[in-house]
Amino acid sequence: QVHLVQSEAEVKKPGASVKVSCKASGFSFASHGISWLRQVPGRGPEWMAWISVYKGDTNFAAKFRGRVTLTTDTSADTAYMELRGLTSDDTAVYFCARDTPLKYSDSRGYPIFDDWGQGTQVTVSS
Amino acid sequence: SYALTQPPSASVSRGQTATIACSGENLGEKYVCWYQQKLGQSPLLVIYQDNRRPSGISDRFSGSNSGDTATLTISETQAMDEADYYCQARDSNDVVFGGGTKLTVL
Repeated sequence: QVHLVQSEAEVKKPGASVKVSCKASGFSFASHGISWLRQVPGRGPEWMAWISVYKGDTNFAAKFRGRVTLTTDTSADTAYMELRGLTSDDTAVYFCARDTPLKYSDSRGYPIFDDWGQGTQVTVSS
Repeated sequence: SYALTQPPSASVSRGQTATIACSGENLGEKYVCWYQQKLGQSPLLVIYQDNRRPSGISDRFSGSNSGDTATLTISETQAMDEADYYCQARDSNDVVFGGGTKLTVL
């Protein structure tokens, strides 16, 4: 059974960085991609970025480009998302989700987020 | 930037059919996914590539997509179907979600 387990909630001060982890099990981590999304209460999910564990390619939503770093550790079947320069607007629940290993431009019909982590609450407050 | 629009709320009587619309420019030319999200839970994929159901999802869930509108249909609606529903599509390399529709089962 596919399982994505994320790290615990974080409280950060404005200007700080946060790094969220996502440990995968039940599938071949190295053969997939991982997307990161966030959600604030009452709104739809917001896609942030994608990484191909298979190839190392990345893709970022314009508003996060330059502020987000994605990495993976295939020896630990874990993906990481680091968000820098936090503001109160970054307060949200952050999710990882299983995604295609191929670039979206090469994957008609994707992305399909077929499994999600449980979410990590990140609170930015002074 | 590309946008997907959903009605904020919908209601349906138990046992009846619920339909939830998602509109976007030329949405029929893109593939659409639908996610169900219950309070305090992560989103759950219920429809992908317009009308395909993941393993384990009830056949009461179906989808269609044409023109500017994609539709999620839930037949024989049950109390357990009460949730927020989000549509999602890709525009070039950008991934877009609708604002969500809160489905109430009466």
